[in-house]
Amino acid sequence: DGGITQSPKYLFRKEGQNVTLSCEQNLNHDAMYWYRQDPGQGLRLIYYSQIVNDFQKGDIAEGYSVSREKKESFPLTVTSAQKNPTAFYLCASSMLAGGRADTQYFGPGTRLTVL
Amino acid sequence: AQSVTQLDSHVSVSEGTPVLLRCNYSSSYSPSLFWYVQHPNKGLQLLLKYTSAATLVKGINGFEAEFKKSETSFHLTKPSAHMSDAAEYFCVVSDQTFSGGYNKLIFGAGTRLAVHP
Repeated sequence: DGGITQSPKYLFRKEGQNVTLSCEQNLNHDAMYWYRQDPGQGLRLIYYSQIVNDFQKGDIAEGYSVSREKKESFPLTVTSAQKNPTAFYLCASSMLAGGRADTQYFGPGTRLTVL
Repeated sequence: AQSVTQLDSHVSVSEGTPVLLRCNYSSSYSPSLFWYVQHPNKGLQLLLKYTSAATLVKGINGFEAEFKKSETSFHLTKPSAHMSDAAEYFCVVSDQTFSGGYNKLIFGAGTRLAVHP
């Protein structure tokens, strides 16, 4: 099956710990994205990447880091510098058409809770 | 700057009755518009998208939306609600002005649809 997978589904973190959320896609999409969702709000962009070994900050990048070593993988690390990390995290991917991103498709999400 | 406003945070309908979820947008350019649905603790699923072709867009599960430039609206409708339609719905506009070849998505705050028997 083609799609986007995120793991784990639920993640618990103690304060002061770094944690890494996994995102893998087998859609052969060029671009990948990380969003954060808080209750009653729309999604906010954390980071995005249009090509391997390159990524850009989104609206709320502070306290997060990413890497893009492979086309199909875009892991997100939530560092101890992120003051309020409890949220639902969504990964997405899209093709690039004519140099611009096409429709984004989303993974099932990871719910991170800080204990 | 582009923005999107979902006019209702909650909508409640009876099963078998029509659904209307309202969305207004602001854009300086011809926008791309999307509706996504999210079931509890799930990712977002694309319902439909408008990209300057036909103004009436048909999506999955019987949903459709009409692009009205004069009203800057992109309301989502369905003739007959089903229990399985209960979910959160997001109206999204693609920011064509974003530099670097990336079309940033601007999300509405969401509308929670409840369907009761």
